[in-house]
Amino acid sequence: DGGITQSPKYLFRKEGQNVTLSCEQNLNHDAMYWYRQDPGQGLRLIYYSQIVNDFQKGDIAEGYSVSREKKESFPLTVTSAQKNPTAFYLCASSHPDYGYTFGSGTRLTVV
Amino acid sequence: EDQVTQSPEALRLQEGESSSLNCSYTVSGLRGLFWYRQDPGKGPEFLFTLYSAGEEKEKERLKATLTKKESFLHITAPKPEDSATYLCAVQAGNGQNFVFGPGTRLSVLP
Repeated sequence: DGGITQSPKYLFRKEGQNVTLSCEQNLNHDAMYWYRQDPGQGLRLIYYSQIVNDFQKGDIAEGYSVSREKKESFPLTVTSAQKNPTAFYLCASSHPDYGYTFGSGTRLTVV
Repeated sequence: EDQVTQSPEALRLQEGESSSLNCSYTVSGLRGLFWYRQDPGKGPEFLFTLYSAGEEKEKERLKATLTKKESFLHITAPKPEDSATYLCAVQAGNGQNFVFGPGTRLSVLP
């Protein structure tokens, strides 16, 4: 079945540590996105990519980095510069006619 | 600036008690309005896409409608398994990115 796979489901980060969240899709979608979700807030866009080897900052890109070396993969790195990284992270891909397909999310906690 | 608000923030219904959720938006040239359902700890699941005022779509106990300024998600005779957070998102005509509302947290009690 086509879909988006995010891993790991749960991730714990120590202070000052960089961590990478994985996102893989087999939908053959060109566009991919990373969102952050905090309680009581809407999804906020971190980064997006419309084609391989190209990506743009979203509304809250500071402290995050991404790469898009393959169409299927769009990993997100949460760097030590992100001061409040505890959140639920969602990866999505989109088709112009069918909207977004989301992964199952990664819950990141700072310990 | 494109904006989406949803009301109420939370809604508690008895099983069988019908109600509506509201999504109000301001966007420069609506390309599409999307409804998603999100269960705790999971990613949102697609429900409906609406493209123009007057359009309606139905799926089981859910019916979505669209006007020029808002969309409603009507829930008829809800069941406990309808409990979830319902997210609304708009896509402006000038780009590919979506703007999401904060969601309505629905609880249906047996």
